[in-house]
Parts: sequence; structure tokens; C-alpha cells
Amino acid sequence: DGGITQSPKYLFRKEGQNVTLSCEQNLNHDAMYWYRQDPGQGLRLIYYSQIVNDFQKGDIAEGYSVSREKKESFPLTVTSAQKNPTAFYLCASNSLGGEQYFGPGTRLTVT
Amino acid sequence: KQEVTQIPAALSVPEGENLVLNCSFTDSAIYNLQWFRQDPGKGLTSLLLIQSSQREQTSGRLNASLDKSSGRSTLYIAASQPGDSATYLCAVSNAGNNRKLIWGLGTSLAVNP
Repeated sequence: DGGITQSPKYLFRKEGQNVTLSCEQNLNHDAMYWYRQDPGQGLRLIYYSQIVNDFQKGDIAEGYSVSREKKESFPLTVTSAQKNPTAFYLCASNSLGGEQYFGPGTRLTVT
Repeated sequence: KQEVTQIPAALSVPEGENLVLNCSFTDSAIYNLQWFRQDPGKGLTSLLLIQSSQREQTSGRLNASLDKSSGRSTLYIAASQPGDSATYLCAVSNAGNNRKLIWGLGTSLAVNP
């Protein structure tokens, strides 16, 4: 089955800890994206990558970091510098200019 | 700066009704427009993608239209069912190099049996 997997589905962390969210796709897509979704707000772009070993900041990159060492993988690290990390995180991918597909999401709770 | 607006924010209809969800955008220089569905606590499911050169796309009971000159798209759902209850999101990709999606806030649809 082709698609995007995100793990874990739920993640709990203590304040001050870094945490890494996994995103893997087997769709052979060049572009991958990380979004954050909060209640009552639209999707906000954190980082995106259009090619291996290259990525760009989105609208709310502060406190986050990413890497793109393989075409299939685009992990997101939520650092302790992120002021309000509790949210629903969505990973997506597409071929450039094509239909965007999403993973099932990771719900991160930081206390 | 591109802005996307979806009206209404919420909609409740009885089962069987045909309904229309609206999406408007401020900059007509788009590359494509995409409609998504999101169930509570889940990821997004792509419903329809309309390229800027197209006027409409159809998939089953869904039909999406695009009028670039007026900055509008509509998603038509025929013979609505309770299983259609979800949030529907519209996003546009601007013409240009990065093709990032600009998102509306969505329409929350409830179809009542």
C-alpha cells in the first residue's frame, strides 16, 4: 500500500525535552511538508522540502528543526525553544505541483 | 498576499439534501486548487484537485468548480449522507516556484439522519 505513515499517533513529553516526530512516504514524492493544526485555526506550515538535503522554513519554523537525508523520510524535531508545542502535527507530500497527500497525524502533548 | 476564505464556517443539513460549500481566494494567479476532507482527530483526505486551466472536476457525488477570474470555487455534494459529516478544507497553490498551499479555515458539515 502506498501512503504516508506518521509515528507515534500520540506523544507525551515533559516541558524542556526535545521530541522527534517521524514521517515516511513510499509514494516517490519529491516534496514533503510539516503542518501544525490547532483548534479554531487553519493549517500552518512549519517546514517543507522539495528535494533531498534541502528544506525551507514555513510560516512558523521557530522552535522546530527538520532534516531530509532520504527522499522517503522527513522527521520533525520539536525543540524546547518552541513556546507552545502542544498541537496536532500533520505530514504531507506531493510530486511538485501535484495533489497533496497527508499522513494520519501525531498528537503531541507537552506538560 | 493570497488569502482563502470558506463560507459558511458550519453547516447542518438533513440527509439527502444537495449542498454547496464555497471557497474564495484573493489572487487569481493560482496553479491549482484542492479540496480536502478531515474527520475529527484524523489526517486530511484529498477529494479533488483542479488545475488552473480546468473549470471543474467530478468524483462520485462530488463536483468541484473553479472560476479563477472571480476567485471562487464551489464543492457540490449530491444526495448528502451522514457519512459525509466532516470538515471540508479548500487550499490554493500559487503560481510560482514553491507551490505552497494557502489554506482556508474549513466548513464543518453535519448531515443529520
